[in-house]
Amino acid sequence: NAGVTQTPKFQVLKTGQSMTLQCAQDMNHNSMYWYRQDPGMGLRLIYYSASEGTTDKGEVPNGYNVSRLNKREFSLRLESAAPSQTSVYFCASRPRLGYNEQFFGPGTRLTVL
Amino acid sequence: QKEVEQNSGPLSVPEGAIASLNCTYSDRVSQSFFWYRQYSGKSPELIMSIYSNGDKEDGRFTAQLNKASQYVSLLIRDSQPSDSATYLCAVNQGAQKLVFGQGTRLTINP
Repeated sequence: NAGVTQTPKFQVLKTGQSMTLQCAQDMNHNSMYWYRQDPGMGLRLIYYSASEGTTDKGEVPNGYNVSRLNKREFSLRLESAAPSQTSVYFCASRPRLGYNEQFFGPGTRLTVL
Repeated sequence: QKEVEQNSGPLSVPEGAIASLNCTYSDRVSQSFFWYRQYSGKSPELIMSIYSNGDKEDGRFTAQLNKASQYVSLLIRDSQPSDSATYLCAVNQGAQKLVFGQGTRLTINP
């Protein structure tokens, strides 16, 4: 099992460009999450999907959209990137209700110029 | 008040000693508590889960939970240089989410 995979690993964008971060898990987990991690700010939840077909906002959703494409895949889209979105983005998944452990992908390091 | 608080460190511990990492949380109804280890440039890795008051041991790691004091800690015995990392405390928020502390940077000195 690959666990949680993310693409790309690194990305540089110019202000105003758009891009989609991809996340996939092969553990048959129900819930998936997108976080951003900034120095001194810890991990902050952007959006999550409790189950296939549902998505909900987290702590910092502004400027982002998500799609739960199927049970395996959960993508994060930046429609018009801003320098404030420079960060490391992590995707995570959780097995099922009653199990709160989350397992993280390797991350995407995004720089917006 | 932050929901999950940790001392950011750095915490410096000599090799072979016990490293003690602390975390407090504000939500009294939280039921699940986790410690993640994060090496520089890598993703968080789950190392301990604890759900009940008391101690839980796994190898050199012991997690301690005191719900009355809203306090969870992680002890690392016989600290090794490979334990040098940032340790994140996480607490459940409802049935779906975790809230993370900012992390404590731990350095083990040979």
